[in-house]
Amino acid sequence: DAGVIQSPRHEVTEMGQEVTLRCKPISGHDYLFWYRQTMMRGLELLIYFNNNVPIDDSGMPEDRFSAKMPNASFSTLKIQPSEPRDSAVYFCASRTQGANGGYTFGSGTRLTVV
Amino acid sequence: GDSVTQMEGPVTLSEEAFLTINCTYTATGYPSLFWYVQYPGEGLQLLLKATKADDKGSNKGFEATYRKETTSFHLEKGSVQVSDSAVYFCALNHGGSQGNLIFGKGTKLSVKP
Repeated sequence: DAGVIQSPRHEVTEMGQEVTLRCKPISGHDYLFWYRQTMMRGLELLIYFNNNVPIDDSGMPEDRFSAKMPNASFSTLKIQPSEPRDSAVYFCASRTQGANGGYTFGSGTRLTVV
Repeated sequence: GDSVTQMEGPVTLSEEAFLTINCTYTATGYPSLFWYVQYPGEGLQLLLKATKADDKGSNKGFEATYRKETTSFHLEKGSVQVSDSAVYFCALNHGGSQGNLIFGKGTKLSVKP
């Protein structure tokens, strides 16, 4: 299995532009999580899905952020418009229903908004 | 709500030194506890876990024991190597198979040759 695949690995964009981050979870995993990591705030859960349905989006910082999971093999996190304070590493992770803590993380997308 | 507190880093050790990274938690009931490791430029990987009181998780020479009386899950290794340099995250899951993980802020470990 190729693991959780995220793209792009690095993204540099100008303030005000739309940014779309992509994630392909491991086949058969029922849960998908989006995290943001910064030096100041550490690892923050933004949103997670179960069977493609958003379960908890209370961590999404504001309306500029949106996430979708149109099918079991693909999810996107979109920021529109982007701001410099959105600069961070964004991780996607997935796990199966019965896996107690057995998250598999992707390698992350390093986003820089200038 | 549930939370995890880790010792702040960075921690710098010489090769073959003994490592302890402290982790305490706040939760009602009996959460499962985890340590994850993040190597430079990579995502987090599960290092070890314990699902009930007095359980000891172990992997790659690392150990941690679930101490309910002190609400702790300290990570230890008897002899660290340069290759252990990474960021270590303590986490808890209070929702069983339905829940999501709550992470500590991470502790950066640097091991010098």
